[in-house]
Amino acid sequence: DTGVSQDPRHKITKRGQNVTFRCDPISEHNRLYWYRQTLGQGPEFLTYFQNEAQLEKSRLLSDRFSAERPKGSFSTLEIQRTEQGDSAMYLCASSLGYSATGELFFGEGSRLTVL
Amino acid sequence: AQSVTQPDIHITVSEGASLELRCNYSYGATPYLFWYVQSPGQGLQLLLKYFSGDTLVQGIKGFEAEFKRSQSSFNLRKPSVHWSDAAEYFCAVGAWNNDMRFGAGTRLTVKP
Repeated sequence: DTGVSQDPRHKITKRGQNVTFRCDPISEHNRLYWYRQTLGQGPEFLTYFQNEAQLEKSRLLSDRFSAERPKGSFSTLEIQRTEQGDSAMYLCASSLGYSATGELFFGEGSRLTVL
Repeated sequence: AQSVTQPDIHITVSEGASLELRCNYSYGATPYLFWYVQSPGQGLQLLLKYFSGDTLVQGIKGFEAEFKRSQSSFNLRKPSVHWSDAAEYFCAVGAWNNDMRFGAGTRLTVKP
């Protein structure tokens, strides 16, 4: 299967711990996005990369959040000093193209539970 | 910034009945509009999209949507619903800078 894959699928952690999520996009896709989805809500944009460059970050992305895409392939999203409010599904998506019209292909998400 | 409103949180229809899910957007320029479906435990899947041209767009699984600029709407329709259509449906609007905003979603239940 050559879809978007995310790891881990589910992470349970204690408040104050750091967590890291990984996303492997579809191989030829140059754009990669991170979204956050809480229960009963639609996905909220966090950030996106075009190749290895992080082009935009949402105000939702506090200083405790950092995302990287070191070689323009896979990406990691790290959350430091987790808080209970960080509990959510973190979605990764990728697309091909250099305009706003490219279809986003989503992974199945990484669910974070902060105790 | 653009925004999306899906007025219906939950809709129940009988199998075989027609379906319309509402979506209203707010955006100052020409919007890029999308409908995605999310089944339990599955990733979001694109049903259809509108960028320009014909305002009635056809998608996968027998879905269609109509863009109405005067009403700032992009409603999703299906003439005959199947039990497998039960899922969460999200309308989204994309801007020129690729910032895509999603609505809160409409959960569809299909009665046998």
